[in-house]
Order: sequence, then structure tokens, then C-alpha cells
Amino acid sequence: DGGITQSPKYLFRKEGQNVTLSCEQNLNHDAMYWYRQDPGQGLRLIYYSQIVNDFQKGDIAEGYSVSREKKESFPLTVTSAQKNPTAFYLCASSSGPEGTEAFFGQGTRLTVV
Amino acid sequence: GQSLEQPSEVTAVEGAIVQINCTYQTSGFYGLSWYQQHDGGAPTFLSYNALDGLEETGRFSSFLSRSDSYGYLLLQELQMKDSASYFCAVRDSGSARQLTFGSGTQLTVLP
Repeated sequence: DGGITQSPKYLFRKEGQNVTLSCEQNLNHDAMYWYRQDPGQGLRLIYYSQIVNDFQKGDIAEGYSVSREKKESFPLTVTSAQKNPTAFYLCASSSGPEGTEAFFGQGTRLTVV
Repeated sequence: GQSLEQPSEVTAVEGAIVQINCTYQTSGFYGLSWYQQHDGGAPTFLSYNALDGLEETGRFSSFLSRSDSYGYLLLQELQMKDSASYFCAVRDSGSARQLTFGSGTQLTVLP
């Protein structure tokens, strides 16, 4: 089955530690996105990538980093520079700039203690 | 940049019709989408409008007016399972086609 997979579903980390969230898709999509969602809030764009080895900052990129070495993979690192990292993180993909539909993973709920 | 406005909450009874509005401001516009998200779940795609007019998909319809920078999602014959958050999202016309979401509308369907 084609889809987009995020792992792990729940993640706990100590304050000051970097943590990497995984996102893999087998939909052959060019575009991939990372969003952050806080309780009762909308989705805010962290980073997006339209092609391998290229990515752009979204609205809230500070304290995060990404890589796009393979078409299928778009991992997100939450660094110690992110002041409030506890949130629900969603990865999405679409067929490209012309893609009308974005497909989402099930999300990773990160809690920093 | 892009910004979107939608009501934070809407309440309706089972079997009724509800309309969720979305107004947007963008530096360049390519299309307006709607997504549904149940508590704790992933957003799922509902509809997409690139041109003015109404798109109908079963009980759900979506409307776009590009000249008014306005769209809405119409849900008919409401069911309890329609209780969820609904997000409008715009894709801009820049080369990156950035996808930006509104803050969401929490729909509560009462029996």
C-alpha cells in the first residue's frame, strides 16, 4: 500500500537534546512538507522541499533542520535551539508544485521534559 | 506571505447544513483546498478549487470566488462523525507552490 509513514508516534526527550523525526513516503511524490500543530491550533509550516537536495524554510523554521537526500525521505531534526519543542508534528507529501492533494502521515507527538 | 481567516467554532445538529467560510490574503494564488482532521488524527483531503464556482463531492461541496479571495465548505445532511476540525489551505503561485493552512474550524454536531 502506498502512503506516508512517520515514526515514532510518541517521542519523549529531555530538554537540550536534539531529536530527529522520521518521514518516509512511497508515493513517488516530489514535494514534502513538515508542519507543527499545537493544541487547538492550525498547521504551521516548518520546512518544505520540492525536489531532492533542495528545501526551503517555512514560517517557523528557527530551531529546526531538515535534509532531503532521497526522494522518499524527509527527516526533521528538532534542535536544542527550539524554545518550545513540545507539539504534534505532521509530515505531508504531494505530487509536486501542481499537486492538488497533500497526503499526511499519522504524526509524531513530541514531548520534551 | 499568506494568511487565512476562518471561524474558530461552529455547532449544528444532525441532519442540518453548515457552511464554513474562509477568506485569504496571498502574494499569489494557485488554489484553495479543504482538509478534515479528527482529534489526534492526520488531516485528510476533502476538496480543491482552482477556478471560481462550486465543486460537489457527495455531502460536501466547496466554493471559490477568486475576485473576493473567499471560499467556503458546505456540509449537508450532517452526521455525528462529521464532528472534527476543518482547515482551508492555499497553494501560492510562486515556484515553490507553498501550502499554507488556516487555523481551523472546530465543528460540533449535536444529536
